Amino acid sequence: AAGVIQSPRHLIKEKRETATLKCYPIPRHDTVYWYQQGPGQDPQFLISFYEKMQSDKGSIPDRFSAQQFSDYHSELNMSSLELGDSALYFCASSFSTVNTGELFFGEGSRLTVL
Amino acid sequence: QQQVKQSPQSLIVQKGGISIINCAYENTAFDYFPWYQQFPGKGPALLIAIRPDVSEKKEGRFTISFNKSAKQFSLHIMDSQPGDSATYFCAAAYAGNNRKLIWGLGTSLAVNP
Repeated sequence: AAGVIQSPRHLIKEKRETATLKCYPIPRHDTVYWYQQGPGQDPQFLISFYEKMQSDKGSIPDRFSAQQFSDYHSELNMSSLELGDSALYFCASSFSTVNTGELFFGEGSRLTVL
Repeated sequence: QQQVKQSPQSLIVQKGGISIINCAYENTAFDYFPWYQQFPGKGPALLIAIRPDVSEKKEGRFTISFNKSAKQFSLHIMDSQPGDSATYFCAAAYAGNNRKLIWGLGTSLAVNP
């Protein structure tokens, strides 16, 4: 079965550089979520999109932006990178119905800021 | 304030034993309670989930027990195996928050051979 695809899997950047992470949701899933997970921490919700519109916003820094495109893939753009941005970034997708809340996560993108 | 409180933080179990992880919540609007399993360097994977209209759900060696009045739910892993060694997260969600998952802090489980 198709899963959530994230790229790149690993990314190394210098401080103040920019980075873009991509997420391809499971086919027919209409909702995409971005999470940030630091070492030994629970995933922190950043932002979500439903049908290409932002549906919710969490602890996403102003330096970060995201969007969902017409093919439902999503990109997380991170600018002016800081050391503290080093983390695993997960994308998850779901098919939004009233009675389900199952999120399916990708393998993650590991960002290292030097 | 942690909306979903998970314990213990870490757990060591012998092979064949029962692993028990507990979670408690305050918001009675929550109506979906999933457990995720995460291996190092991997994304969280949905293990099992329950809704408050049932008190227990079992899938293989994994069982969720749900106590609505106490606002608690727990994960039981029967016949624990070394391959179960991972971090387990409980979570909760409800329609009113766009079904955004509210996570516990995780439990690191180690199953000794």
